[in-house]
Amino acid sequence: AAGVIQSPRHLIKEKRETATLKCYPIPRHDTVYWYQQGPGQDPQFLISFYEKMQSDKGSIPDRFSAQQFSDYHSELNMSSLELGDSALYFCASSLDWTSYNEQFFGPGTRLTVL
Amino acid sequence: QKEVEQNSGPLSVPEGAIASLNCTYSDRVSQSFFWYRQYSGKSPELIMSIYSNGDKEDGRFTAQLNKASQYVSLLIRDSQPSDSATYLCAVIKITGGGNKLTFGTGTQLKVEL
Repeated sequence: AAGVIQSPRHLIKEKRETATLKCYPIPRHDTVYWYQQGPGQDPQFLISFYEKMQSDKGSIPDRFSAQQFSDYHSELNMSSLELGDSALYFCASSLDWTSYNEQFFGPGTRLTVL
Repeated sequence: QKEVEQNSGPLSVPEGAIASLNCTYSDRVSQSFFWYRQYSGKSPELIMSIYSNGDKEDGRFTAQLNKASQYVSLLIRDSQPSDSATYLCAVIKITGGGNKLTFGTGTQLKVEL
């Protein structure tokens, strides 16, 4: 079965640089979620989109922005990177926005900021 | 206090035994409950979802939900070494907007030969 695709899988950036993470949801899934997981921590919700509109926002820094495109893929743009942004970034998708729909996670992007 | 609480472990069980993982949540408007398995450096993998009081079984896994006690658990029967991982409890609250997952800190399970 098709899964969530994320690219790149690994990314190394310098402080103050910009990074773009991409997420391709499971086919027919129209809701996308972004989570950040620091070392030894649980995943923290950043932002979500339903039908190309932002549906919820969590602890996402103002330096970060995201959008969902017409083909339902999503991109997380991160600017002025800081050392503390080093983490695993997961994208998850669900069939729609209702709470009864299970969220399936992609393999993640490991971002390292030097 | 975190919204979702789990014992961090590690929880050690012998191969073939039953592993019992517990989770409590603080917000009564929590509506949906999930167990994810996460191997080190990998993404969370959905194991079980449960929405109403009682038990839900899927293969070797049984999820139990008690909304009155704000408690959800996961039982793993016939534990195997491959079950050794961190198990994350997650909940979704009714917010009227998106439905983000709120995770506990996870319980590390070790299945010993």
